[in-house]
Amino acid sequence: EADIYQTPRYLVIGTGKKITLECSQTMGHDKMYWYQQDPGMELHLIHYSYGVNSTEKGDLSSESTVSRIRTEHFPLTLESARPSHTSQYLCASSENRDRGFYGYTFGSGTRLTVV
Amino acid sequence: RKEVEQDPGPFNVPEGATVAFNCTYSNSASQSFFWYRQDCRKEPKLLMSVYSSGNEDGRFTAQLNRASQYISLLIRDSKLSDSATYLCVVGVMDTGRRALTFGSGTRLQVQP
Repeated sequence: EADIYQTPRYLVIGTGKKITLECSQTMGHDKMYWYQQDPGMELHLIHYSYGVNSTEKGDLSSESTVSRIRTEHFPLTLESARPSHTSQYLCASSENRDRGFYGYTFGSGTRLTVV
Repeated sequence: RKEVEQDPGPFNVPEGATVAFNCTYSNSASQSFFWYRQDCRKEPKLLMSVYSSGNEDGRFTAQLNRASQYISLLIRDSKLSDSATYLCVVGVMDTGRRALTFGSGTRLQVQP
């Protein structure tokens, strides 16, 4: 039973469309993350949030934007999808910890194809 | 140079074999270390944390060498179900940012 949910699971969309990838978690975690992963490649951090109204860009430059209006919800938006945005997008959350890290719990991902 | 480096494999081993994966990380300020498992076209799942003293979970043993910036994972008595990609993961507190960095993974294929 998943505690972090991503929708849609698969999305095929035309170039220029606006899309929002949803991510919700029921664990009360303050920290949430978006990673991008191409097939057979490593995960790259594109956005993260340490709490409500807190969002930061990650290591990989991304044309997407995020918002964090509620603790449990961390949606990612692409204003104008392009074929270069085709990838898998993984959302994750983690518990708070003053020092060090807890491991992340990942959602099942959204596999996006822009045609 | 990548922050976390792994041998991509694939490692093809027979059932029952012992296999070891290695990983090196470049940032000496790294604080936390994990091994994740990722099945084909699935999300990564936490396999185990890695502690300085080394730790074991059933058939899996993880070791950390901070001086050499080296992490290892040993799998004993390999099962077919162990076939997956194993991701070495490092956590660094860097100018206020706290996020995990993932290696590109080592693929394991256990054969009957």
